[in-house]
Amino acid sequence: GENVEQHPSTLSVQEGDSAVIKCTYSDSASNYFPWYKQELGKGPQLIIDIRSNVGEKKDQRIAVTLNKTAKHFSLHITETQPEDSAVYFCAASRADKLIFGTGTRLQVFP
Amino acid sequence: GAVVSQHPSRVICKSGTSVKIECRSLDFQATTMFWYRQFPKQSLMLMATSNEGSKATYEQGVEKDKFLINHASLTLSTLTVTSAHPEDSSFYICSAPRDPVSNQPQHFGDGTRLSIL
Repeated sequence: GENVEQHPSTLSVQEGDSAVIKCTYSDSASNYFPWYKQELGKGPQLIIDIRSNVGEKKDQRIAVTLNKTAKHFSLHITETQPEDSAVYFCAASRADKLIFGTGTRLQVFP
Repeated sequence: GAVVSQHPSRVICKSGTSVKIECRSLDFQATTMFWYRQFPKQSLMLMATSNEGSKATYEQGVEKDKFLINHASLTLSTLTVTSAHPEDSSFYICSAPRDPVSNQPQHFGDGTRLSIL
């Protein structure tokens, strides 16, 4: 089955800096890769997603890149703000099931 | 705003009690919903897939008699933790996909924190 690895587990950045979170997946048939932001005591919120027929997608300060050959994808957050502080999860999906990475706790210091 | 509503948000009860958690899709119909469990500082683990009008599909290692799932309508799925014990204490989260064909993207509820004393 699918296995998703995520790094780093924690990430601290200064406000205004960029943050990058990386994930690798094992199942080459996976074709959908969402990223979720989870704040304390809340459910995950979809922030961006990418399908396997696209190499990059951007939405304001957030971008995701996908390398199908290497089976890895990354989340890039530019101009980070304190409100970006949360736990971020990547996921991979082939059919309907989402397999989640282990999460990255991002702290943005003012 | 929220597209998936989960209720209750928090439950504290005695060991042996059965607890029902509701998951509703608010502005779309969901023939499929998903139930996850999340332990503190860990990732989300899929427990089961809830299918409207048919039996739920459980992931390996999940006891179907312990975690009863009923998908009563196109907007409501319920998870009942039967005869709950302290080891069942966890954060339970549901999700529903807006697109019934691709089952993507999945929108999550805000979770139910279950504490069994």
